Amino acid sequence: GAGVSQTPSNKVTEKGKYVELRCDPISGHTALYWYRQSLGQGPEFLIYFQGTGAADDSGLPNDRFFAVRPEGSVSTLKIQRTERGDSAVYLCASSLGPAGVGTDTQYFGPGTRLTVL
Amino acid sequence: GDSVTQMEGPVTLSEEAFLTINCTYTATGYPSLFWYVQYPGEGLQLLLKATKADDKGSNKGFEATYRKETTSFHLEKGSVQVSDSAVYFCAFASGGSYIPTFGRGTSLIVHP
Repeated sequence: GAGVSQTPSNKVTEKGKYVELRCDPISGHTALYWYRQSLGQGPEFLIYFQGTGAADDSGLPNDRFFAVRPEGSVSTLKIQRTERGDSAVYLCASSLGPAGVGTDTQYFGPGTRLTVL
Repeated sequence: GDSVTQMEGPVTLSEEAFLTINCTYTATGYPSLFWYVQYPGEGLQLLLKATKADDKGSNKGFEATYRKETTSFHLEKGSVQVSDSAVYFCAFASGGSYIPTFGRGTSLIVHP
C-alpha cells in the first residue's frame, strides 16, 4: 500500500557526469509520468509511459535525457553529460489507468533533488 | 501556445479568512482543469478537478468553478486554517494530450 517512491532523494553530481534517477510507482498502476520542477516553477512534463512503452516523450528537452520502464513497473530516468541547467527536482507520478480516462488521477512521489555543480 | 496563469504569492492570511487564488488558462478545445496542492515536505497531490464548463470541483472545503466564458478556474475557501498552508498549483489537460500543464504555483501562508 505504499505510495510512489523515488530514489535517491538528493543527488549531487559534477557537470558532465551521468546520473540515474529511479521511480517505484504504486503497485498495479499502469501509467507512469516524469516531470521536472525548477525553483519557483510548476512541474514540467518530460515523458509518459503506458505499460512498458513511452506513449509520449515530447517533453524530453534533448537527447541527453532518456527514460525506461522495461517491465512496466519501476522506471529510470537517465541523464547523460549533465549540465548545471539540469539542476531541479525530478518528480515521478503514477496512475491506475491511462491518461485521459477516469482512472488517470496522478499520485506523485516526493521527488529527487538533482544538483549539478 | 497553451498556458496557465495564476496569481503570484505568497498569499498571507489570518486563520478563518476567505481565500481566493486566481487562475486563468489559454487552451484549445475543452480542457479539464485541476488544482493540485503541495504541503510542506510532501508530494504533490490532486485537490480537485472539473472536466466541463460550469462544473464545480470541491474537496476539503475548497471549491473552484470551470468558467469557460472567462477561461478561469479560481480556487476559493470560505475559512482557511493554518493547516492549509501549502503551495497550490492550477493545471489543465487539453484533449489529445491529457497530460497536465501546470502554473507556477501560489504559496499560501495562514497565520493563527
